[in-house]
Amino acid sequence: EVQLVESGGGLVQPGGSLRLSCTASGFIFSNFAMHWVRQAPGKGLEYVSAIRSNGGSTYYANSVKGRFTSSRDNSKNTLYLQMASLRAEDTAVYYCVRGGTAMVTILDYWGQGTLVTVSS
Amino acid sequence: DIQMTQSPSSLSASVGDRVTITCQASRDISTYLSWYQQKPGKAPQLLIYDASNLETGVPSRFSGSGSETDFTFTISSLQPEDIATYYCQHYDSLPLTFGGGTKVEIK
Repeated sequence: EVQLVESGGGLVQPGGSLRLSCTASGFIFSNFAMHWVRQAPGKGLEYVSAIRSNGGSTYYANSVKGRFTSSRDNSKNTLYLQMASLRAEDTAVYYCVRGGTAMVTILDYWGQGTLVTVSS
Repeated sequence: DIQMTQSPSSLSASVGDRVTITCQASRDISTYLSWYQQKPGKAPQLLIYDASNLETGVPSRFSGSGSETDFTFTISSLQPEDIATYYCQHYDSLPLTFGGGTKVEIK
């Protein structure tokens, strides 16, 4: 069974940093591109980031480019999202999502999400 | 970036009704389109991919159609457990943008 478990969310002050983790199981993690999608409270889904299966290529939405960094450790089956210079508008539930062997493909399995709140 | 325009933003229907949601892409995306269901407090769940293919285990009352820029999602007979918000999303190119969502309620 495919499982994605996010952790690392919490309350952080504006301008602060936070690192999210997503631990994967039930599939060969190193074969799949991975994505981050977020959802602000009461709002729709916003695409954040993608990372190739080998970590060799990444993509970021304009809203987070230069502030967020996605990485992965395939030996630990773990995906990371390093977030810096956080703003109030980054407040959201962050979902870790499995893609396919290519970066542009169906998003088929989602984690339960972790809430990031940016507030003073 | 490809924009996805979904309508309506909300709807209210009776149990057993046929429900239809539309999604329009700002340019041709072939059939690179998925539909997701999100229940309150839960993560989205993939229902349909490649515009019309039902994900394994998804009830057959859900269906999708369309290509290029115009797509439709249908619930043939609305059930109480279908109360949720539904999103379309393309996977033609990065970023993989979503429609604004349609909240489905029981009348």
